[in-house]
Amino acid sequence: ETGVTQSPTHLIKTRGQQVTLRCSSQSGHNTVSWYQQALGQGPQFIFQYYREEENGRGNFPPRFSGLQFPNYSSELNVNALELDDSALYLCASSNRDREILVNTEAFFGQGTRLTVV
Amino acid sequence: QKEVEQNSGPLSVPEGAIASLNCTYSDRGSQSFFWYRQYSGKSPELIMFIYSNGDKEDGRFTAQLNKASQYVSLLIRDSQPSDSATYLCAVPPMNRDDKIIFGKGTRLHILP
Repeated sequence: ETGVTQSPTHLIKTRGQQVTLRCSSQSGHNTVSWYQQALGQGPQFIFQYYREEENGRGNFPPRFSGLQFPNYSSELNVNALELDDSALYLCASSNRDREILVNTEAFFGQGTRLTVV
Repeated sequence: QKEVEQNSGPLSVPEGAIASLNCTYSDRGSQSFFWYRQYSGKSPELIMFIYSNGDKEDGRFTAQLNKASQYVSLLIRDSQPSDSATYLCAVPPMNRDDKIIFGKGTRLHILP
């Protein structure tokens, strides 16, 4: 158990719909990073929030958006779903206030499996 | 753009043998590396962290880092069927705004 929980665990949506995925970070962590993992691929960075501000974004279109709440939990929103959005969505929490970042471990939630039909 | 390269496999190893997983990276400035294990349908789990040239041992796992060759490896001794998983090599964030960069992962299959 990492203390990071994601909901829901599985989701089926229709192309064109919108979806919201949720992530609660581990106690004491202030950063949530979101990744998309397609089958047979490594996790691809979507974006990251540090203390409620987006502080990094990967190569994903604007229909992928998110936010972080004062308790450092986070949401990932995807609009106008496409078939290629089907993937495992992972969130990871970490504490980026630590002086030495080089060994900052990120703890992953169990993931949300999104299927777009 | 930092990149991490791994052979996707599958790598099949007999039970009890040594499994050797390899990773190369593009950014010579990368100082440290993670190895994650990911079971099918599950999230990645950190199993090793290495930041110094040479070997780091933890139980049956040994990570090896060669910065001159930009090469990282993970050895699993006395392989068990429970070691069958995908192993992801990753570069940790270098600053507050940075991200973890993952390789595509190597699928390892331990043959009973």
